[in-house]
Amino acid sequence: QSVLTQPPSVSGAPGQRVTISCTGSSSNIGAGSDVHWYQQLPGTAPKLLIYGNSNRPSGVPDRFSGSKSGTSASLAIAGLQAEDEADYYCQSYDSSLSGSWVFGGGTKLTVL
Amino acid sequence: QVQLVQSGAEVKKPGASVKVSCKASGYTFTNYAMHWVRQAPGQRLEWMGWINAGNGNTKYSQKFQGRVTITGDTSASTAYMELSSLISEDTAVYYCARGRVATVYNWFDPWGQGTLVTVSS
Repeated sequence: QSVLTQPPSVSGAPGQRVTISCTGSSSNIGAGSDVHWYQQLPGTAPKLLIYGNSNRPSGVPDRFSGSKSGTSASLAIAGLQAEDEADYYCQSYDSSLSGSWVFGGGTKLTVL
Repeated sequence: QVQLVQSGAEVKKPGASVKVSCKASGYTFTNYAMHWVRQAPGQRLEWMGWINAGNGNTKYSQKFQGRVTITGDTSASTAYMELSSLISEDTAVYYCARGRVATVYNWFDPWGQGTLVTVSS
């Protein structure tokens, strides 16, 4: 089954900017499928952070931004805050194997 | 507000089945789809299947085909996920999440609080 690849961890100091990559393939991101991002705080359910590659739901600070190019996508977090420490997952639709929704392996963000 | 509330934690023996419920409120249940996603300890989120709550059509991940059944009760605005022939590797938190029906370019929002299913002899 096709999957999306994320770095296991990233870190940054308060106030800094970090980016998290999400690499797919020609059957998902490269085929034009949108990428969505979720934030999962410890012990809680995932929460939608970015939808449709670059759109923020109501209530999500504009410090969070998303982009997509080719077979990859990125989540950027500017002005890091302690409460941003969480796991972040990308998600897309994969058209192989009769079609399914797929997730990245998750990236643990540590705020130093 | 839009909310999904799931049933409580379950402990099952290998070979048994488990049925998890997900009650929706704050929106018209039949206008959306409900997806089921699981997360085993230390593992990535894994999509299991979905149901179009309006017409009852379902689609399952090939990995779970034959073992998972997703149903919906429109009168109760509740979706159900039943997983059979449980093995220890099915120990995970199971989530329901709302999706759209008109496109495969779906995002999941909101999510239920999760239901821990433990498979142990």
